[in-house]
Amino acid sequence: QKEVEQDPGPLSVPEGAIVSLNCTYSNSAFQYFMWYRQYSRKGPELLMYTYSSGNKEDGRFTAQVDKSSKYISLFIRDSQPSDSATYLCAMTARAGSARQLTFGSGTQLTVLP
Amino acid sequence: KAGVTQTPRYLIKTRGQQVTLSCSPISGHRSVSWYQQTPGQGLQFLFEYFSETQRNKGNFPGRFSGRQFSNSRSEMNVSTLELGDSALYLCASSEGTTAYNEQFFGPGTRLTVL
Repeated sequence: QKEVEQDPGPLSVPEGAIVSLNCTYSNSAFQYFMWYRQYSRKGPELLMYTYSSGNKEDGRFTAQVDKSSKYISLFIRDSQPSDSATYLCAMTARAGSARQLTFGSGTQLTVLP
Repeated sequence: KAGVTQTPRYLIKTRGQQVTLSCSPISGHRSVSWYQQTPGQGLQFLFEYFSETQRNKGNFPGRFSGRQFSNSRSEMNVSTLELGDSALYLCASSEGTTAYNEQFFGPGTRLTVL
């Protein structure tokens, strides 16, 4: 079993919909959580970063972490066609040196105009 | 500020050959990490370099190696290529090596092994 599980989708939603993307993890040592967006033929770009349980909001994006359930989510409000991409969750155990990111497999999202 | 650049963008090799990939980090960034991305395994950490020293290594065979130069540019080498090495190889740079230092990814090098 992988340390981080993510539903690969594909997920297709109409423009304006609220999108929910999720990851579960098994390693309780993970303390720092990230969401990356990857467009086709591009490298991943960091969307959200959080290290505590609860919600963090940035514009149309909200990251939610529940460490007790080992479950993280990314919500996208008022989704746009430009949000169509693969979304990857990532996490790491260490704040100090020698950090190493463990990624989910990614969820492919398509927002239809 | 220029982003992370990787060369070449595409590469085709045959089994048994070796390959060297190059990564130029963002100016001022001293940490470079390498990842392998495949449809089956997703993104997997290969290794991280900081100030020419390997700080951490993922669970890959010894055929995968890397190095970093004094100008922070990094190369990774794969020897005795196997079909399963076909992947997108991504390089990421950051100012430091803590979890708080955002990693900026390059566009990747697409390696195909025939």
